[in-house]
Amino acid sequence: GENVEQHPSTLSVQEGDSAVIKCTYSDSASNYFPWYKQELGKRPQLIIDIRSNVGEKKDQRIAVTLNKTAKHFSLHITETQPEDSAVYFCAAGGGGNKLTFGTGTQLKVEL
Amino acid sequence: GAVVSQHPSWVICKSGTSVKIECRSLDFQATTMFWYRQFPKQSLMLMATSNEGSKATYEQGVEKDKFLINHASLTLSTLTVTSAHPEDSSFYICSARDHRGSTDTQYFGPGTRLTVL
Repeated sequence: GENVEQHPSTLSVQEGDSAVIKCTYSDSASNYFPWYKQELGKRPQLIIDIRSNVGEKKDQRIAVTLNKTAKHFSLHITETQPEDSAVYFCAAGGGGNKLTFGTGTQLKVEL
Repeated sequence: GAVVSQHPSWVICKSGTSVKIECRSLDFQATTMFWYRQFPKQSLMLMATSNEGSKATYEQGVEKDKFLINHASLTLSTLTVTSAHPEDSSFYICSARDHRGSTDTQYFGPGTRLTVL
């Protein structure tokens, strides 16, 4: 089955700096890669996703890149703000199949 | 759009009792729903995939007789934790796949915190 690894497990940045979270996956059949943001005690919220036919996708301060050959994808957050502080999960799946989630990254944006 | 509700949001029960959790897609039909379990500061662990009108598909290591799943309609799936014990205490979250657009996008419910005394 699919195996997703996520790094780092914790990330602390200064407000205004950029943050990058990286994930790798094992199943070459996976073609859908979403990113979720989860605040403490709340539901995971989809923030951006990408499909394997696209190498990069951007939505305001958030971008995701995908290297299908190397089987890795990354989340980039620019101009970080305190409200970006949360746990971020990557996932891999697609084709109507289940998603496999990474272990999560605790992002802390410090003033 | 794509709103998923879950009820109850929290429940406390005695050991040995059963607890039912409901997951509803409010503004779309979901032929497939997923049930996850999440321990504090850990990732989402898929328990089972719930398909409307058919039996659920359980992940390896998940006891199907203990975690009963019913997906009786296109907007409702239920998870029943039978004969609950303290080790079943956890945060249970459902998600629903919205087939109106992408066939893969999952939207999550707010979760149910179960505490078994």
